[in-house]
Amino acid sequence: SQKIEQNSEALNIQEGKTATLTCNYTNYSPAYLQWYRQDPGRGPVFLLLIRENEKEKRKERLKVTFDTTLKQSLFHITASQPADSATYLCALIYNQGGKLIFGQGTELSVKP
Amino acid sequence: DVKVTQSSRYLVKRTGEKVFLECVQDMDHENMFWYRQDPGLGLRLIYFSYDVKMKEKGDIPEGYSVSREKKERFSLILESASTNQTSMYLCASSYPAAHNEQYFGPGTRLTVT
Repeated sequence: SQKIEQNSEALNIQEGKTATLTCNYTNYSPAYLQWYRQDPGRGPVFLLLIRENEKEKRKERLKVTFDTTLKQSLFHITASQPADSATYLCALIYNQGGKLIFGQGTELSVKP
Repeated sequence: DVKVTQSSRYLVKRTGEKVFLECVQDMDHENMFWYRQDPGLGLRLIYFSYDVKMKEKGDIPEGYSVSREKKERFSLILESASTNQTSMYLCASSYPAAHNEQYFGPGTRLTVT
């Protein structure tokens, strides 16, 4: 079965630095990959989508890369702020009607 | 703005009780999903639905059933609650295309004692 792995340990960085979160998957490549943000006690909120034929996608301070050879996606937050502190989830989508497979998430803490 | 609401934020039930979790979305989405989220395990799909009266099993359907009588409403039913069903339950909805983002409700924290 498909497995997705995200950094299980929390990531602690200083305000202003770039945060980089990793999402690795096994077996066959997904058609799409999404990243979500989840705050404590809340549901996840969609951030970015990247397709299998795209190498990189940007949105404001966010950047996502997708390497189908390495079976890996990297999620970057540049000029990080304490408000970016949250858990970030990656999710894979195969061409079967929108069913997502989620990673367990990585908790990011940005210190002032 | 898309809104997905869930009937309760917190719920405490006893073992063996029948439990209903309700989810309503206001964006006319065709797809609706129920997940549970547990520490270290991430979100796991229980059931999903692509249309009214239609349901598909997800990865962990055992002990659960669902009902979708109206497009905007998707109910999760725990037929006989057990302590291992203590969890955070999240409902989501989306448009039908595979890549469409999912909109999540705030979640229901269910405790079964």
